[in-house]
Amino acid sequence: AQSVAQPEDQVNVAEGNPLTVKCTYSVSGNPYLFWYVQYPNRGLQFLLKYITGDNLVKGSYGFEAEFNKSQTSFHLKKPSALVSDSALYFCAVSFILTGGGNKLTFGTGTQLKVEL
Amino acid sequence: DAGVTQSPTHLIKTRGQQVTLRCSPKSGHDTVSWYQQALGQGPQFIFQYYEEEERQRGNFPDRFSGHQFPNYSSELNVNALLLGDSALYLCASSLRTSVPYQETQYFGPGTRLLVL
Repeated sequence: AQSVAQPEDQVNVAEGNPLTVKCTYSVSGNPYLFWYVQYPNRGLQFLLKYITGDNLVKGSYGFEAEFNKSQTSFHLKKPSALVSDSALYFCAVSFILTGGGNKLTFGTGTQLKVEL
Repeated sequence: DAGVTQSPTHLIKTRGQQVTLRCSPKSGHDTVSWYQQALGQGPQFIFQYYEEEERQRGNFPDRFSGHQFPNYSSELNVNALLLGDSALYLCASSLRTSVPYQETQYFGPGTRLLVL
């Protein structure tokens, strides 16, 4: 089955330090990968997506993600973490639906905690 | 520009009852997808609506049904509620294109359903 995995349930980082949230994928064919963030009692907010082209994708709020085909990974990164980045982060893979459109299959999520 | 809106924000029902959740897509979007997010898990795809038709369904029983209106808004109906239906129900909208794997889904804040 095609899927994404987030190996860490929680990541702790000090404010000002770089952060990485890991995601690996298992997809036949070309992967189309997304990152979303969820704040408490809120829906998911789109951060960025990888379709094709540059392996470093830049997104919202200073986040970026690095696509690595050989390691089948799509890790989310930020050079300098903020306390306000503390949230639940989801990696997802896009599948084309019969007749058009797509659906997202999500990982289990990684809770990011940024401390002062 | 209004984003995706959902109503109600919270709902409490008892087993066996029926519930209707509503979603208005982001301006300019024509496709609505519904997801169920159980506590501590990633969202799971329920189904997608485009041109007022259900286009594809995830692994959910027929108790889950929906509708899309001419103005692209959508409803999710769940009949014969079970305790296990307690979850956050998320609506996502997107614009159908000729390259479906690139379509970005934008999520609403969700409706939290509690079944007692």
